[in-house]
Amino acid sequence: DAKTTQPPSMDCAEGRAANLPCNHSTISGNEYVYWYRQIHSQGPQYIIHGLKNNETNEMASLIITEDRKSSTLILPHATLRDTAVYYCIVREGAYNQGGKLIFGQGTELSVKP
Amino acid sequence: DGGITQSPKYLFRKEGQNVTLSCEQNLNHDAMYWYRQDPGQGLRLIYYSQIVNDFQKGDIAEGYSVSREKKESFPLTVTSAQKNPTAFYLCASSIAGRNEQFFGPGTRLTVL
Repeated sequence: DAKTTQPPSMDCAEGRAANLPCNHSTISGNEYVYWYRQIHSQGPQYIIHGLKNNETNEMASLIITEDRKSSTLILPHATLRDTAVYYCIVREGAYNQGGKLIFGQGTELSVKP
Repeated sequence: DGGITQSPKYLFRKEGQNVTLSCEQNLNHDAMYWYRQDPGQGLRLIYYSQIVNDFQKGDIAEGYSVSREKKESFPLTVTSAQKNPTAFYLCASSIAGRNEQFFGPGTRLTVL
C-alpha cells in the first residue's frame, strides 16, 4: 500500500471549513483513498473514500487531484465535535492483505470556538 | 441498533495472567479484526478473520490468540507471552470485500 503523509496538527475556527491535506505520491492506479477519524479514547470512524473522482457525503467532501498524488478532506462547517485525529489511508481491495488498514500518525484537528 | 460491542471498557490484570477481551457484532459482517493502539500512535493489526473458523496473523500477533467459532464473535486473548500488553485494543468488522471497517468503542487494558 502507498505511504501517506499528513501534517501532525491543524487548527480550525468553529463554523469554518476544515481542509485536511494528504500526500500519497506513490499511489498506484487501483488504490483508493480512505479517510477515518478517531475522537479521543473512541474507536475510529469511517468518513469517506474515493478512487479518482471527487466524493461527497453527509459528513465531508473528498477532493483528489488529477494526478492522484494528493487529496484533501473538507469538513464544510466544522464544529467542536469534529475535534479528532484524522487518518488518510491508501489501499487496494479488501482481500489484499486481509483487509488491513494501515493507520499512520494522522492529523490532529482542533476546532476552536 | 446494529453495531459492535467490546467489553469491558477498562480492564486491569496482574502481570503473568492471561486475559480475554470480548468483541461482538450484530452487523452480519463476515470479516473481523483486532488492532492495538499505543499512546500517540496509529493502529496496528493483531489478527483478522474473513470467515468463521478461519483467521490470520496480522503484524503483531506474537503473544496473542483468537478464535472465530461464531460469525458474531471474535474474542482476543492476551497471553502472558505478550511483553507489553498495556494498550488500547480495538475490534472492527466489515462486509467481505469492503474496506469500510466499523469499530467498537475499545477496551483499555492495563497490566500491573
